[in-house]
Amino acid sequence: QVQLQESGPRLVKPSETLSLTCNVSGSSLSSGYFWAWIRQPPGKGLAWIGSIYHSGTTYYNPSLKSRVTISFDTSKNQFSLKLDSVTAADTAVYYCARAPRFFDWFSYDSWGQGALVTVSA
Amino acid sequence: QSALTQPASVSGSPGQSITISCTATSSDVGDNNYVSWYQQHPDKAPKLLIYDGVIRPSGVSGRFSGSKSGNTASLTISGLQADDEAHYYCSSSVNSHSLDFGGGTKLTVL
Repeated sequence: QVQLQESGPRLVKPSETLSLTCNVSGSSLSSGYFWAWIRQPPGKGLAWIGSIYHSGTTYYNPSLKSRVTISFDTSKNQFSLKLDSVTAADTAVYYCARAPRFFDWFSYDSWGQGALVTVSA
Repeated sequence: QSALTQPASVSGSPGQSITISCTATSSDVGDNNYVSWYQQHPDKAPKLLIYDGVIRPSGVSGRFSGSKSGNTASLTISGLQADDEAHYYCSSSVNSHSLDFGGGTKLTVL
């Protein structure tokens, strides 16, 4: 059974870069699944950040595309999120997730527990 | 702002059925079958209930069902239980390379 766990700094200063890693066990990043980052500001709804395929193909939310990079580290079976020039509006719980079947990037059935990242000086 | 509109709240009594709608402001939902539904309890990660509009993942109760009519997708929960009290989110592809979530619906079991 696949398990995902987010890790990284929980406090980031405004204008700096938010960096998170998703550690994956029970499933290889080299398989045919899509992997995603999704966030949720406190008390608000879910927002898709972007998805990555084992080939390295990435899809990003157009509203964040200029600031976001999602990448793999297949040697460690991890994938990461970098969000540049953060502001208080980027304060959220960040989830990493995996799609339920190959080639599907529209739905996600395996999720990490989430990591609350606060942007504050 | 989301391109998918959900009612802010719905309620029902134990044993009843309720339906949550998800209406696209454009033709997104109508043009594709990639609508998903999630359940989220407080301080928990979302749980996938429905994908491709109507398919339940293994392990999801048959009390949850999805449907679509035109630009509106719907999630129906039958035989309401206390544990169904949660937030529910729909999602759909916005275009060929983007994904959107609805604003979420809080279900209260009376």
